[in-house]
Amino acid sequence: GEDVEQSLFLSVREGDSSVINCTYTDSSSTYLYWYKQEPGAGLQLLTYIFSNMDMKQDQRLTVLLNKKDKHLSLRIADTQTGDSAIYFCADHNTDKLIFGTGTRLQVFP
Amino acid sequence: ETGVTQTPRHLVMGMTNKKSLKCEQHLGHNAMYWYKQSAKKPLELMFVYSLEERVENNSVPSRFSPECPNSSHLFLHLHTLQPEDSALYLCASSQSSGGATDTQYFGPGTRLTVL
Repeated sequence: GEDVEQSLFLSVREGDSSVINCTYTDSSSTYLYWYKQEPGAGLQLLTYIFSNMDMKQDQRLTVLLNKKDKHLSLRIADTQTGDSAIYFCADHNTDKLIFGTGTRLQVFP
Repeated sequence: ETGVTQTPRHLVMGMTNKKSLKCEQHLGHNAMYWYKQSAKKPLELMFVYSLEERVENNSVPSRFSPECPNSSHLFLHLHTLQPEDSALYLCASSQSSGGATDTQYFGPGTRLTVL
């Protein structure tokens, strides 16, 4: 079946940039998503990118898509302590979302 | 109230209890979903409803029984659960199901503990 993989942890200093990476196997992806989950909360849609784009910027967030390598990344500029959360990459496969296991981002002062 | 809401936010139940989880969406969407989030595992899609009809059931045990009385409400009825069913249960909705542009919006989840 289709698979989405992410590294489990990322630790950055406040003010630095964070880059969260994701790889997927689905060759027919149409949309790819980034969701954020804060402790005790549900998933919050951060941004998404259509598969015919290679970059999308939304304020402090930059999404890069390398469709050839099936690699997606989320860059958070000027990372703040409020960005500490789990970030999920998700691939829209036919009629369902396939999620990665999530990357826990820890921001320290 | 806007978005997707879920009640209760926390639930503790014994294995012989019967309880229900409720989800309500205020986005005018036609599709609703139940997901299970367990520790260290990817989100698992449990059920999909589109226009109040179930369109997908990912081989979920019969002790989980969904109900979708209308496009705004979704329930998950629970009975004789097992401790391994303890997890965060997330509800989501989207404009329709199956389309490439159907972004899903999630509720805050119900944290279920089965004793």
